[in-house]
Amino acid sequence: DSGVTQTPKHLITATGQRVTLRCSPRSGDLSVYWYQQSLDQGLQFLIQYYNGEERAKGNILERFSAQQFPDLHSELNLSSLELGDSALYFCASSAPPPRLVYNEQFFGPGTRLTVL
Amino acid sequence: LAKTTQPISMDSYEGQEVNITCSHNNIATNDYITWYQQFPSQGPRFIIQGYKTKVTNEVASLFIPADRKSSTLSLPRVSLSDTAVYYCLVGGFGGSQGNLIFGKGTKLSVKP
Repeated sequence: DSGVTQTPKHLITATGQRVTLRCSPRSGDLSVYWYQQSLDQGLQFLIQYYNGEERAKGNILERFSAQQFPDLHSELNLSSLELGDSALYFCASSAPPPRLVYNEQFFGPGTRLTVL
Repeated sequence: LAKTTQPISMDSYEGQEVNITCSHNNIATNDYITWYQQFPSQGPRFIIQGYKTKVTNEVASLFIPADRKSSTLSLPRVSLSDTAVYYCLVGGFGGSQGNLIFGKGTKLSVKP
């Protein structure tokens, strides 16, 4: 158990719909990262938040957005869903600096999104 | 982050030592080498990190030659539960911590 929680575990929805995925980081971690993993694209970084502010952006579509709240939990919003958005969505968190280990992120169990 | 190259898949048998090599020819002076493990339908899990020479922890060893253009993850006496995908990542300290760029990884299959 990494200490990162994600809800829901599974989500089935239809094309065109909007969903919200939720992530709670490990206690004390200020950074939250979102990743998408699909069979053909592998694990792709989407976006990072640090203490409520967007820190880095990856291959995140304009239909997707995220935010980190004052209690440090984060939500990933996916709208106008398409079949190709079906994937595993992982949230990860990392400890604030200074830290001994670079690139150590703790991943949650993921949310499996199925778009029909 | 530097680009990495690693074998797509490897097979092994229980009790054997497994060595997975990763090439990172463009590694920068500030870059560290990090390995993650991912089981099916689970998030990746940090295994080990090193800068040069050899690092060992309770689950693996990491060998890095002097030129640092490659690294080898060594898993001693693997078991069936070590069947997973192993990712090699290269990145550096300094500045804001960036995202992790995962390649395709190496799919290790351990057979009885």
